[in-house]
Amino acid sequence: KAGVTQTPRYLIKTRGQQVTLSCSPISGHRSVSWYQQTPGQGLQFLFEYFSETQRNKGNFPGRFSGRQFSNSRSEMNVSTLELGDSALYLCASSLTGANNSPLHFGNGTRLTVT
Amino acid sequence: QKEVEQNSGPLSVPEGAIASLNCTYSDRGSQSFFWYRQYSGKSPELIMFIYSNGDKEDGRFTAQLNKASQYVSLLIRDSQPSDSATYLCAANTGTASKLTFGTGTRLQVTL
Repeated sequence: KAGVTQTPRYLIKTRGQQVTLSCSPISGHRSVSWYQQTPGQGLQFLFEYFSETQRNKGNFPGRFSGRQFSNSRSEMNVSTLELGDSALYLCASSLTGANNSPLHFGNGTRLTVT
Repeated sequence: QKEVEQNSGPLSVPEGAIASLNCTYSDRGSQSFFWYRQYSGKSPELIMFIYSNGDKEDGRFTAQLNKASQYVSLLIRDSQPSDSATYLCAANTGTASKLTFGTGTRLQVTL
């Protein structure tokens, strides 16, 4: 069974631009979560989608948004990029998002903002 | 603020020894706990998870949970150089898929 697939693997953008990241979950997984990983803050939760609805949201500004499609694939968008948005963005899927349904991470998209 | 605390290390153990990685959490409402391994430049890889008090074993790995003490640990038996990585402890705090991660413990297995 294929794992979580994220595209692109690397992105370089300039301040003020916007970016869209894509994630395809493991087949059959309905919950998709997004995390940001930086050396200073570690892994931080952005949001979770389940059945095309945002179910949970972390403490990030509104510039960070996402959506989920009917096939469970998800996209994350960051508008008006700032230097501090440079990070590894990780998508994770789980079967149901329940307590005993662990997250499986994709390889991530490394975003560099210059 | 709900936190998960880990010693950043590095924790150095000789090959073949038992590595003991520890984690404490502040939110008594946390229900499930996860251990992930992350190699440098790679994404986190799930090792195991636990949600009941006591021990859970999977091959060379044993997770231990003590909810009264708000303490989670991971034991790696017969440590191998390939186990050298950063180990992340995570707890779901409030909602199932919203994990709070510790900053990770770097493990070095020496020959």
